[in-house]
Amino acid sequence: EAQVTQNPRYLITVTGKKLTVTCSQNMNHEYMSWYRQDPGLGLRQIYYSMNVEVTDKGDVPEGYKVSRKEKRNFPLILESPSPNQTSLYFCASRPTDSKFSYEQYFGPGTRLTVT
Amino acid sequence: GNSVTQMEGPVTLSEEAFLTINCTYTATGYPSLFWYVQYPGEGLQLLLKATKADDKGSNKGFEATYRKETTSFHLEKGSVQVSDSAVYFCALKSNTGNQFYFGTGTSLTVIP
Repeated sequence: EAQVTQNPRYLITVTGKKLTVTCSQNMNHEYMSWYRQDPGLGLRQIYYSMNVEVTDKGDVPEGYKVSRKEKRNFPLILESPSPNQTSLYFCASRPTDSKFSYEQYFGPGTRLTVT
Repeated sequence: GNSVTQMEGPVTLSEEAFLTINCTYTATGYPSLFWYVQYPGEGLQLLLKATKADDKGSNKGFEATYRKETTSFHLEKGSVQVSDSAVYFCALKSNTGNQFYFGTGTSLTVIP
């Protein structure tokens, strides 16, 4: 089954404790991205990657890091989480060939709470 | 710059009512436009898309037409069902970059 998986689905942590949220896709997509969803703000793009070893900042990259060492994986790293990073996080992927009309496939989300 | 503005929610409708959710955009270049739907507890799913002016996207009874002159992509459905209750997001991707821009989402509740 074609899918994007994220782990963990739920996470409660404390300020300053480094964490990683994993994202993996089995569709051989070149493009992967991370979003955060906050009430009244919709989805905002954190980082995206056009392919292995190629990453770019989205609209809200501060406080986050990413890496793309393999095509299928795109982990999101919070080196020193703060309460304002409490949010619902989504990973997404898509092929870069425009004939697919840029459709993105989303993971199920990770609910992060930083106390 | 690029941005998407969609109507505030929440929206509550009776079953079989007509639905319109407004979406307008600002974009550099010639964007592709999307409507995504998020059911409770799930990730977003593509509902429909349009890649050029005057295109009409349609799926599951929903429709939206890419209107360049009014920079709009309003979502419509003639007769909503309880199962349509979800949050709907309008989104764009400019043809001059690789970022996606989403609206704030509109929550729809359909009551029997």
